[in-house]
Amino acid sequence: DGGITQSPKYLFRKEGQNVTLSCEQNLNHDAMYWYRQDPGQGLRLIYYSQIVNDFQKGDIAEGYSVSREKKESFPLTVTSAQKNPTAFYLCASSTRADHEQFFGPGTRLTVL
Amino acid sequence: QQQVKQSPQSLIVQKGGISIINCAYENTAFDYFPWYQQFPGKGPALLIAIRPDVSEKKEGRFTISFNKSAKQFSLHIMDSQPGDSATYFCAARQDSSGSARQLTFGSGTQLTVLP
Repeated sequence: DGGITQSPKYLFRKEGQNVTLSCEQNLNHDAMYWYRQDPGQGLRLIYYSQIVNDFQKGDIAEGYSVSREKKESFPLTVTSAQKNPTAFYLCASSTRADHEQFFGPGTRLTVL
Repeated sequence: QQQVKQSPQSLIVQKGGISIINCAYENTAFDYFPWYQQFPGKGPALLIAIRPDVSEKKEGRFTISFNKSAKQFSLHIMDSQPGDSATYFCAARQDSSGSARQLTFGSGTQLTVLP
């Protein structure tokens, strides 16, 4: 059963704590992406990776960090430097950068 | 700087009616225009996409109309059904460039189809 999994579905953290969101895909896709979605706004790109051990900043990378040590995994860390981290986070993957992106079910992060 | 402007923000349509969502873009280098459908609590899913070499693409009840000179494209949902109630996002991407290709999304339209 191929697809993209994100965990957990809901996440609560206290202000000032770092938190890591998981994204795993078994589609054998080379490219992976992290987006942030806020009410009334479109998806905004945080980071993307076109290949293992390589990643680039998107439009809103400040306060976030990523790693891409395995093809299947692209975890996102929301650091305490992110001023307004409460949002819905979406992970996506594609066979390569110019192909269709498939999205995971998302993680809703709430910082208290 | 918002490169893809989407309207309306919300839309209410009666069952059987036509839903129309519009998007306008600024970057003339964009050459791939997808539409995504998102249900509450889920990730978006690709609905239909078009490239600027055609003015219209139809898949079932969903049609994209594309106007290159006006830098606009729209999604038409014919015979709208309550199951179509979702948030719709337009997006654009520059595939022709050798640099990394990123999707730029519109702000989304929340469609409600009344039974």
